[in-house]
Amino acid sequence: NAGVTQTPKFQVLKTGQSMTLQCAQDMNHNSMYWYRQDPGMGLRLIYYSASEGTTDKGEVPNGYNVSRLNKREFSLRLESAAPSQTSVYFCATTEGLTGELFFGEGSRLTVL
Amino acid sequence: QQPVQSPQAVILREGEDAVINCSSSKALYSVHWYRQKHGEAPVFLMILLKGGEQKGHEKISASFNEKKQQSSLYLTASQLSYSGTYFCGTDFSGSARQLTFGSGTQLTVLP
Repeated sequence: NAGVTQTPKFQVLKTGQSMTLQCAQDMNHNSMYWYRQDPGMGLRLIYYSASEGTTDKGEVPNGYNVSRLNKREFSLRLESAAPSQTSVYFCATTEGLTGELFFGEGSRLTVL
Repeated sequence: QQPVQSPQAVILREGEDAVINCSSSKALYSVHWYRQKHGEAPVFLMILLKGGEQKGHEKISASFNEKKQQSSLYLTASQLSYSGTYFCGTDFSGSARQLTFGSGTQLTVLP
């Protein structure tokens, strides 16, 4: 089992470009999350999805959109990338709304 | 509302003990602990629930003081593999979507 798979692992964008980060899980978990990690800031929640068809904003949603395509997949879209969105992005899942978070390997995004 | 972790960094020799603290200004429902090695994803260590018992994971254990709204992670007889950044995540409502992470404690274990 792959667990939680993120693509791409690395991406460089120019300011104003758009892109989508993909996340897929084979753990049959209901809840999925997108976090960003910046030096000295820990992990901050961007969006989460409690179940297929539902999404909600987290702590830092501005500049992002998400889609819960089905139970397995949760994508994060940057419509117009800004240098402030340079970060490492992690997708995570949990069985319910509590409990252990299972993280993907991360996607390192640089916006020039 | 971000929990405060201390110390920010610690350097140990193999076999030594360490304590990492996590404090919150709000009443906590649970505390999560994760370890992240450089360039890798965070990995779950344990969850401590309000009213629950101290949890353990091999030579890593933790406590949760509800009155003081803080948790401590104890690493005994440190091994080289314990090196990494340790994050606590605090939750006030019993929901992972409300989990707020501290800025991390960087632990380095030297031979």
